[in-house]
Amino acid sequence: GESVGLHLPTLSVQEGDNSIINCAYSNSASDYFIWYKQESGKGPQFIIDIRSNMDKRQGQRVTVLLNKTVKHLSLQIAATQPGDSAVYFCAVPRVLNTDKLIFGTGTRLQVFP
Amino acid sequence: GAGVSQSPSNKVTEKGKDVELRCDPISGHTALYWYRQSLGQGLEFLIYFQGNSAPDKSGLPSDRFSAERTGGSVSTLTIQRTQQEDSAVYLCASSITGTNSYNEQFFGPGTRLTVL
Repeated sequence: GESVGLHLPTLSVQEGDNSIINCAYSNSASDYFIWYKQESGKGPQFIIDIRSNMDKRQGQRVTVLLNKTVKHLSLQIAATQPGDSAVYFCAVPRVLNTDKLIFGTGTRLQVFP
Repeated sequence: GAGVSQSPSNKVTEKGKDVELRCDPISGHTALYWYRQSLGQGLEFLIYFQGNSAPDKSGLPSDRFSAERTGGSVSTLTIQRTQQEDSAVYLCASSITGTNSYNEQFFGPGTRLTVL
């Protein structure tokens, strides 16, 4: 079955630096990928998504890169701010063309001054 | 605007007791999902509703877990004879529709369940 993993449980970065959070997935047929941000005591919040017909998508200070060859996904945060401190999850559909998702275990991003 | 709400925000119960967790999805969202998040873990899928029916219950960990959704809106997750391993944050999410497309899931704040 599908599985989603992340390379690091915790990432510490200095304020102003760029952050890169990585994710690997197992199903080569996956065609949609999402990043969520979860702040302490809150539910996950959608950040950005990408479909498999793209290899890069940019939002406000965030960029998602998709490498289908190695089944790898990354989230880049530019000029990391204290408000970016949270746990970041990647997710892929459990069943194609549905909203049912499998979530990775998450990477905790810590931003220090 | 109104998002997904869950109640209670915290629940402490004794082992063996039954608990009910409630989720109010965003109005008009036909798809509703329940997840469980153990400490330091990712989200574990429990059950999915499309309208009032639950076409996918594959994530329910045991027959002590059940859920219903009435009127295509509010959902209740019931855990009978709670065990300590049931302690987790239970998250609810809703989306416009769960089929034939990809739509953003909007999450509630969760219910933190502690079983003593």
